[in-house]
Amino acid sequence: AAGVIQSPRHLIKEKRETATLKCYPIPRHDTVYWYQQGPGQDPQFLISFYEKMQSDKGSIPDRFSAQQFSDYHSELNMSSLELGDSALYFCASTLGGYSYEQYFGPGTRLTVT
Amino acid sequence: QQQVKQSPQSLIVQKGGISIINCAYENTAFDYFPWYQQFPGKGPALLIAIRPDVSEKKEGRFTISFNKSAKQFSLHIMDSQPGDSATYFCAASKRGSTLGRLYFGRGTQLTVWP
Repeated sequence: AAGVIQSPRHLIKEKRETATLKCYPIPRHDTVYWYQQGPGQDPQFLISFYEKMQSDKGSIPDRFSAQQFSDYHSELNMSSLELGDSALYFCASTLGGYSYEQYFGPGTRLTVT
Repeated sequence: QQQVKQSPQSLIVQKGGISIINCAYENTAFDYFPWYQQFPGKGPALLIAIRPDVSEKKEGRFTISFNKSAKQFSLHIMDSQPGDSATYFCAASKRGSTLGRLYFGRGTQLTVWP
């Protein structure tokens, strides 16, 4: 079965640079969630989208923005990167109006040097 | 503030034994309680989940027990195997306009010795 696809899988950036992470949800899933997981930490919710509209916002820095496109894929844009942004970034998807189950992608490992 | 508290932080079990991980929550608006399994460098994989209208759910070797009055739920892994060695996260969410962001526990690192 098709799963959530994230790209790139690994990304190395320098401080103050920008990064764009992409998420392709499971086919027919219309809801996307972004989570950040630091080393040895639990995933922390950043932001979510349902039917291309922002549905919820968590502890996402103002330097980050995200959107969901007409094909339901989502992009997380991160600017003025800081060392503390180094983490695993996961995208999860679900069928928003019908299901609670969130399926996670393999993640993007962002390293800021 | 951690909305879901998970214990123990780490757990070592002999092969064939029972692994038990416990979670507690405060927010009575939560209405969905999943467990995720995560291997190093991988995304969390949905293992099993329960709604508060049932007290127990079993899928293969994995069982969730749910105590609504105590606001606690637990994962039991029967006949634990070395391949079960991973980090397990409990989580909770609530429906409504926010469409269910997950609040995770801090995770339990399970090691199953052969």
